[in-house]
Amino acid sequence: DGGITQSPKYLFRKEGQNVTLSCEQNLNHDAMYWYRQDPGQGLRLIYYSQIVNDFQKGDIAEGYSVSREKKESFPLTVTSAQKNPTAFYLCASRTRQITDTQYFGPGTRLTVL
Amino acid sequence: SQKIEQNSEALNIQEGKTATLTCNCTNYSPAYLQWYRQDPGRGPVFLLLIRENEKEKRKERLKVTFDTTLKQSLFHITASQPADSATYLCAGGSQGNLIFGKGTKLSVKP
Repeated sequence: DGGITQSPKYLFRKEGQNVTLSCEQNLNHDAMYWYRQDPGQGLRLIYYSQIVNDFQKGDIAEGYSVSREKKESFPLTVTSAQKNPTAFYLCASRTRQITDTQYFGPGTRLTVL
Repeated sequence: SQKIEQNSEALNIQEGKTATLTCNCTNYSPAYLQWYRQDPGRGPVFLLLIRENEKEKRKERLKVTFDTTLKQSLFHITASQPADSATYLCAGGSQGNLIFGKGTKLSVKP
C-alpha cells in the first residue's frame, strides 16, 4: 500500500513547546515538501528537500526546522519561535521529473493552546 | 510578487450544469499549471496538468485550458454532481516547486 503518511492527525500543544510532525513516504520519491494551510488561504511553502541531507527554505520558514536523513522521512519541527503555529500542515512528495504532480499526505491539524 | 489568483472564493451551481473555475497568473509565467481537488480536512489530490504549449487537456468530465497570452487557465466540470462539491486548487510551476492559489469552493446542489 504505497503512499504518504502523516501523524498524528490532530495535535495539541501548549504555547512555548516545540512539536515535531511526522511525514513518511514509501513512493521512492526524491523531493518532499511541507506546506501550511490556514482557513481561506492557499498552501504556503515552509521547507522543501530535493534530496537526502539537503533542504531549502520556502516562503515562510521562520520558526520551523526540518531534517532529511532518510529518503522516506521528512519531519517538521514547529518551534516556540513560530508566532502563530495553529494551522493545518500538509506534507507532499514527488519524483524528480519537474512537471510531476505532488502527492499529499492527509495532513496534521496542530492547535497550540 | 508571483501569484496564482483564483478570483472566486465560492461557486454554487445546480446539478447537471457545467462548473467553470478561473485561475490567473500574476507577475508569473509558469511552465505548467496543475489542478487539485481538496475535501475538508484532507490533503489535495491531483486532477490535471496542462503545459504552456498545450491549449486544452481532458479527463473524463474534466477539461482544463491554458491561455498563455492572458495567463489564465479555465477548469471545467461538465454534468456536475453533488459529489463534485469540494475546494479546487490551481497551482503554477516551473522548476518543480508549485505556487498555489487560495482555491475555489464549489458547491453543487441537487
